[in-house]
Amino acid sequence: GAVVSQHPSRVICKSGTSVKIECRSLDFQATTMFWYRQFPKQSLMLMATSNEGSKATYEQGVEKDKFLINHASLTLSTLTVTSAHPEDSSFYICSASGGGGETQYFGPGTRLLVL
Amino acid sequence: GNSVTQMEGPVTLSEEAFLTINCTYTATGYPSLFWYVQYPGEGLQLLLKATKADDKGSNKGFEATYRKETTSFHLEKGSVQVSDSAVYFCALRVDSGNTPLVFGKGTRLSVIA
Repeated sequence: GAVVSQHPSRVICKSGTSVKIECRSLDFQATTMFWYRQFPKQSLMLMATSNEGSKATYEQGVEKDKFLINHASLTLSTLTVTSAHPEDSSFYICSASGGGGETQYFGPGTRLLVL
Repeated sequence: GNSVTQMEGPVTLSEEAFLTINCTYTATGYPSLFWYVQYPGEGLQLLLKATKADDKGSNKGFEATYRKETTSFHLEKGSVQVSDSAVYFCALRVDSGNTPLVFGKGTRLSVIA
């Protein structure tokens, strides 16, 4: 099946710094990518939807200036957590779909710990 | 709004036991229904899906039937293996592949030999 990668898989940073997470579709063109956040023992919560070449659509309650999403190409989307704080510590997961197909393919996730 | 409710875990079973993980949904319109599995240290993988009422999705011995009358999509397997230990997520999507999935909270399954 299609593969989606995320980098880094794990990151620890100091409070106040910014962290960039990359999501890549390795063998297909992803017209749409989704970013989710998962708290321990909780479900995946959708943060935003991004379509290649256009601005991301953020879910209610998600600060777009804090969680910057860029989908500059059909194979790459990035999520930047700006001025990270301990409460931003979480597991961030991206998924990608392409060409109107039914299936979304998920990345392995990035665990962020803000000290 | 759209939502998914699945049984609380963790679920611990002995090898070869019968598995049921309950999932019910609330949706506007006619959703497609999915089960995803997350093995330790890995990303979510699609396990099976059903796109309309009475469809049965099946894969790797798992199956689930889309029951519109009870708004349910329960996951079953007749004989679990240790390798089935994972977290299972029920999800729905209304409309096309470019709309986001709505997930349940996940159910952790541990199968012991």
